Amino acid sequence: GAGVSQTPSNKVTEKGKYVELRCDPISGHTALYWYRQSLGQGPEFLIYFQGTGAADDSGLPNDRFFAVRPEGSVSTLKIQRTERGDSAVYLCASSPSASGYEQYFGPGTRLTVT
Amino acid sequence: AQSVAQPEDQVNVAEGNPLTVKCTYSVSGNPYLFWYVQYPNRGLQFLLKYITGDNLVKGSYGFEAEFNKSQTSFHLKKPSALVSDSALYFCAVRVSSGSARQLTFGSGTQLTVLP
Repeated sequence: GAGVSQTPSNKVTEKGKYVELRCDPISGHTALYWYRQSLGQGPEFLIYFQGTGAADDSGLPNDRFFAVRPEGSVSTLKIQRTERGDSAVYLCASSPSASGYEQYFGPGTRLTVT
Repeated sequence: AQSVAQPEDQVNVAEGNPLTVKCTYSVSGNPYLFWYVQYPNRGLQFLLKYITGDNLVKGSYGFEAEFNKSQTSFHLKKPSALVSDSALYFCAVRVSSGSARQLTFGSGTQLTVLP
C-alpha cells in the first residue's frame, strides 16, 4: 500500500511569508506526528495528533507554528512569518494505533527560507 | 527528559566484516528503543524496536540490536556488512509509560561500508 506522502517536496519562501506543508498518512493510521530535522541532526518532535485532536504540541517552538488535522486523516503544518531559522526538513509520520510503537515516516518537505 | 547519544558521527567498515553502531539513552522509567535508517533524499525507514521481552531483537535486512539495561545501551549490529548498508542511522527512544508518544532521536551515525 501507499506510504506517508508529503507535499510539496521542496518549498522556497521569503522571510516573513506564510507557508503550509501537507501530510497524507497511511490509510487507517490514527496517530500522526510532525518532526523537524535540521542539517546534521536527528529529527526533533513538534506535535502529535491522535485522531483530530492535538494530543501533544509541546514541541512547537513558538506561536508562529500551528498544525491541524480536521478530519483525522490529512494534516497541515502552518508556519506564519517565516524566519531563516525555520529552514529544515519537515517530516511527517503516522502509526496505526495510539501505542505508536512503529512510526512510518514520509520523505519530508525541505523548507528553505531566504 | 529523555535523550539519546550516538557517540560516533562516522563508522567505516569493510564489506563482509561485522558492524556495530553505538547508542546510549537516558529516560525516566522503562524505555522503548528504535533504530531507523535514512538513505539520501528518502524518509526514515524503520529497522527494529525493543519494547519488552528478549534483550536481543532482530529486524530488517539482517540487523539486530541488544538492549542492555545496566549500561543503558542499544547498539545496532550486523554480522556481515554490505556496501548497500551505507546510510545514516538513527537511534530513538520514548518512555513506555504516560501519554507521551514522541520519539527522541540521536544525532545520527553515518555508516560507510567499503568494498
